[in-house]
Amino acid sequence: DAKTTQPTSMDCAEGRAANLPCNHSTISGNEYVYWYRQIHSQGPQYIIHGLKNNETNEMASLIITEDRKSSTLILPHATLRDTAVYYCIVKTNDYKLSFGAGTTVTVRA
Amino acid sequence: GAVVSQHPSWVICKSGTSVKIECRSLDFQATTMFWYRQFPKQSLMLMATSNEGSKATYEQGVEKDKFLINHASLTLSTLTVTSAHPEDSSFYICSARAPGRGETQYFGPGTRLLVL
Repeated sequence: DAKTTQPTSMDCAEGRAANLPCNHSTISGNEYVYWYRQIHSQGPQYIIHGLKNNETNEMASLIITEDRKSSTLILPHATLRDTAVYYCIVKTNDYKLSFGAGTTVTVRA
Repeated sequence: GAVVSQHPSWVICKSGTSVKIECRSLDFQATTMFWYRQFPKQSLMLMATSNEGSKATYEQGVEKDKFLINHASLTLSTLTVTSAHPEDSSFYICSARAPGRGETQYFGPGTRLLVL
């Protein structure tokens, strides 16, 4: 599976959009980009995933660059409950998830 | 939809005893479930892949005789930590893969194990 690079941490203001970057320059054509988050002392929560096209659901939007070497997760209106560690993972559908260190996002009032 | 539960949510046991953790997919059938372990301030580490009706596949370095996995039905997988020791104290998390949802994995809430 391709490795990903994410910033260690970031702060964002409550009510503003949070843009979380992820680099995956060695991604293969059949690998998806998955985003999960883990709120303290809980199991990870699935957020969104995509292959080539941008995706949006009730939680977030995923923007994937045309060359697929990077992506951005957008939380449109961050709340204090969005404070968590966010993991960007690339993998094929039938392969295992491999969690890196992720980005620790702190939403401040 | 795609809810995964774990039981118990936390357990304290004496060294040398065995502990069983259950993982259930509540609203879908999961032919594949996964077991992870997470130590404080670390990321999740995959321990094993559990396939319904067959033997589990363990990751390198995980003792299969110590961490017994049974996936007897399409909605239930169990992890038994045998002869638990203090170093087995950790946060154990399962996930289930949901067919038809892009093979996305959905996670349980985790089980915190403390071995005294």
